[in-house]
Amino acid sequence: DQQVKQNSPSLSVQEGRISILNCDYTNSMFDYFLWYKKYPAEGPTFLISISSIKDKNEDGRFTVFLNKSAKHLSLHIVPSQPGDSAVYFCAASAGVNFGNEKLTFGTGTRLTIIP
Amino acid sequence: DSGVTQTPKHLITATGQRVTLRCSPRSGDLSVYWYQQSLDQGLQFLIQYYNGEERAKGNILERFSAQQFPDLHSELNLSSLELGDSALYFCASSVGAYYGYTFGSGTRLTVV
Repeated sequence: DQQVKQNSPSLSVQEGRISILNCDYTNSMFDYFLWYKKYPAEGPTFLISISSIKDKNEDGRFTVFLNKSAKHLSLHIVPSQPGDSAVYFCAASAGVNFGNEKLTFGTGTRLTIIP
Repeated sequence: DSGVTQTPKHLITATGQRVTLRCSPRSGDLSVYWYQQSLDQGLQFLIQYYNGEERAKGNILERFSAQQFPDLHSELNLSSLELGDSALYFCASSVGAYYGYTFGSGTRLTVV
């Protein structure tokens, strides 16, 4: 049972335009969400996160939006740059307690920025 | 360098064999997580240790086991290997979920 779903395996965006990556979840106990970025031959790196008490979090070119009623979150990258080409994973946690931060990951979306 | 060290980077072994993957967490992180990424799959949670104790278990096969030692490094043992065990195995450590995990660069296991 895939509790975190990224339904678009790939996405191509022109350089300078907005990239929007989507993620849906089914577990209503999830209360903390994260995005990770992964380059080939490297481990995923933490990008941005959002708590369920918020509906938006911004960090430079990256903004994450959370719609709890729809169980949907999205990552916006503006403007998109060639270095943003990578695989992006959405992840969620149910109950963030110190010493127990298991994350459930989606299958990833491969973003390609076209120069 | 993320601060999380995984060895070896690559491993090729035959079916039926046993291997050990090693992970040294980032300095100060007490939690270690093991994830498996098979072809075109997301990251599947295997197991978590916190300060030497098993804290959470995911879809980890009985043929797989792990432990975290007093110096906080962790080992993932995979035995009776099958072709389907070929995957990338990632270790991650954290000081708290609000800061996200720090992942190692992974061990690519190929079972032939």
